[in-house]
Amino acid sequence: DAGVIQSPRHEVTEMGQEVTLRCKPISGHNSLFWYRQTMMRGLELLIYFNNNVPIDDSGMPEDRFSAKMPNASFSTLKIQPSEPRDSAVYFCASSGLAGGRYNEQFFGPGTRLTVL
Amino acid sequence: AQSVTQPDIHITVSEGASLELRCNYSYGATPYLFWYVQSPGQGLQLLLKYFSGDTLVQGIKGFEAEFKRSQSSFNLRKPSVHWSDAAEYFCAVGPPGSNYKLTFGKGTLLTVNP
Repeated sequence: DAGVIQSPRHEVTEMGQEVTLRCKPISGHNSLFWYRQTMMRGLELLIYFNNNVPIDDSGMPEDRFSAKMPNASFSTLKIQPSEPRDSAVYFCASSGLAGGRYNEQFFGPGTRLTVL
Repeated sequence: AQSVTQPDIHITVSEGASLELRCNYSYGATPYLFWYVQSPGQGLQLLLKYFSGDTLVQGIKGFEAEFKRSQSSFNLRKPSVHWSDAAEYFCAVGPPGSNYKLTFGKGTLLTVNP
């Protein structure tokens, strides 16, 4: 089975440009997570979707960040406009929730974003 | 607020030596506890988890971890390290019964010398 797929794997852009990160969760999973990893702050949850609906976006740093999940097999994280401090590795993870019981989150390989 | 502390930023061991990575947490009750491993350029992979019951849990790749409530710790151990274990290890906590809202430690980078 394919795991969580993220694209692009690397993105280099200039300050002020729009950046769109993409994620395809594991088929059948109904929960999707976006994380950001930096040296200073470690791994932080940005937003959590359940059944394509955003449940908790309290980790989204500011209005420049937005995330969508138009269907069960696709999600995007958009930064507009991007700033150098957004440089980080962004991970997408998915899990299959069964009866409210915790299920493992499966992580994608990440997108390394560099904003110049 | 919940928090996770991994006191060791970087650990170096020789291949074949034993390993213990420390993890301490702060939480109002007994949380769900996890250890993840991240190889270079890869996402995180779950090694093991503790929800309740037996405080010694076994995971993949020969790893185990012990939950000690009195010390608020969940240390990861391996009796004999292999060169392929070189990676970064993350401890995480989450609210009991929750599928999300994991809080991760800053990670411990493991280097294995031949």
